[in-house]
Amino acid sequence: ETGVTQSPTHLIKTRGQQVTLRCSSQSGHNTVSWYQQALGQGPQFIFQYYREEENGRGNFPPRFSGLQFPNYSSELNVNALELDDSALYLCASSLGTTTGGYTFGSGTRLTVV
Amino acid sequence: QQQVKQSPQSLIVQKGGISIINCAYENTAFDYFPWYQQFPGKGPALLIAIRPDVSEKKEGRFTISFNKSAKQFSLHIMDSQPGDSATYFCAASINSGYALNFGKGTSLLVTP
Repeated sequence: ETGVTQSPTHLIKTRGQQVTLRCSSQSGHNTVSWYQQALGQGPQFIFQYYREEENGRGNFPPRFSGLQFPNYSSELNVNALELDDSALYLCASSLGTTTGGYTFGSGTRLTVV
Repeated sequence: QQQVKQSPQSLIVQKGGISIINCAYENTAFDYFPWYQQFPGKGPALLIAIRPDVSEKKEGRFTISFNKSAKQFSLHIMDSQPGDSATYFCAASINSGYALNFGKGTSLLVTP
């Protein structure tokens, strides 16, 4: 059984650019969520996808968007990068929206300069 | 707005001692309360979780105590070991598969 894998592990972008982060869910998991973890803070919920539809969103602006594919892998896109977007971005998968806990990936460390 | 408040921010415990981390919440709709452990460079890993219909849950050296009326819950790590040194996060959500609201974390150091 494979866990949640994220790519890339590290990324440096310039302010104003766009970035795409990728996530492969744990086998059998049909729900994926994305979190932003600033240095020294707890993860903050960005949004969740269930069967390719967004079914929940945290307090993040529309320039944060996502996709979930039929194989349940997922992407997080961030447009018009700002310095404050520098953080660890975590993907987590679960089996359904009401059962089972999350399994987190190791994250993508994004630095915006 | 921090929906889950966690304390202390950091904790130093001697090997063999008990580590205690506390969390409080306001939203009475929360019904799933997990604890996560995070090592540097890794994502959070689920340690133990509880629902409000029980007051205590134990798994090995880890115990969650839950006080529904006070809207507080805590993690106790018995016989703490240096390998337990990590950052611990409490969280809460309206169900186990939906958005987790995390505390700010507690950095635990267990000294030999």
